[in-house]
Amino acid sequence: EAGVAQSPRYKIIEKRQSVAFWCNPISGHATLYWYQQILGQGPKLLIQFQNNGVVDDSQLPKDRFSAERLKGVDSTLKIQPAKLEDSAVYLCASSLMLNQPQHFGDGTRLSIL
Amino acid sequence: AQSVTQPDIHITVSEGASLELRCNYSYGATPYLFWYVQSPGQGLQLLLKYFSGDTLVQGIKGFEAEFKRSQSSFNLRKPSVHWSDAAEYFCAVVGMGQGGSEKLVFGKGTKLTVNP
Repeated sequence: EAGVAQSPRYKIIEKRQSVAFWCNPISGHATLYWYQQILGQGPKLLIQFQNNGVVDDSQLPKDRFSAERLKGVDSTLKIQPAKLEDSAVYLCASSLMLNQPQHFGDGTRLSIL
Repeated sequence: AQSVTQPDIHITVSEGASLELRCNYSYGATPYLFWYVQSPGQGLQLLLKYFSGDTLVQGIKGFEAEFKRSQSSFNLRKPSVHWSDAAEYFCAVVGMGQGGSEKLVFGKGTKLTVNP
C-alpha cells in the first residue's frame, strides 16, 4: 500500500511569512495527526483528526497555526505568520482508527530565516 | 501527565555488538508502549509495540523489547547490531489527550552510531 505522502519536503521562508504543508494519508485511514519535531526532540502532537473532526488540538498554537481536513482525507497545516521558533520538521501520520498504530510520512523540514 | 524518559542521548556501538536502549515511562495505568526508528530525513517507522500479555515483545529487524512494570521500563534490545541500524530511536507511550482522547507521548530520542 502507498504510504503517507507529504509535500513539500523542504521549505525556507522568512519570519512573518506564511507557509502551508499538505498531507495525504494512507487510503482508508480515518485518523490523521500532525506533529512538530524540533531538532533534538521527539515529535510533539499538534492536532489530531478523526475523519474531518478535530479530536485534540490542545497543543496547537492557534494564534498562528491552523489545520483542516475538509473531506476527511487530505489535510493542510498552515502557519501565519511564522516565527523563528517554528523551525522544525512537521510530520504527518495516519492510522486506521483511533488508538491504532500510526504510520508516518517523511515530513516537511521548515527553516525560518 | 504521562512522560517518557530516554536517558541516553547518544550511544555508539561496534557492528556485531549487542545493543540496549533504555526507556522509562510515567503512567498510572497499564501503558501502551511503542518503539519507533527514524533514519535521517525520513519519518518514523514502528519497530514494535506492547499492549498487554507477554512482556517480551518481538519486533521487526531483529529487535525486541521487555516491559518491566516494577521498573517502569521498556528497554529495546538487539543481540547483534548491523551498520544499517544507525538511526534515532524513539520510545513512546499512549497518554491521555484532550477530551479523553488518547495520544502518543514521545521521548527525546537516542541517536545510535554504529562503528565498523
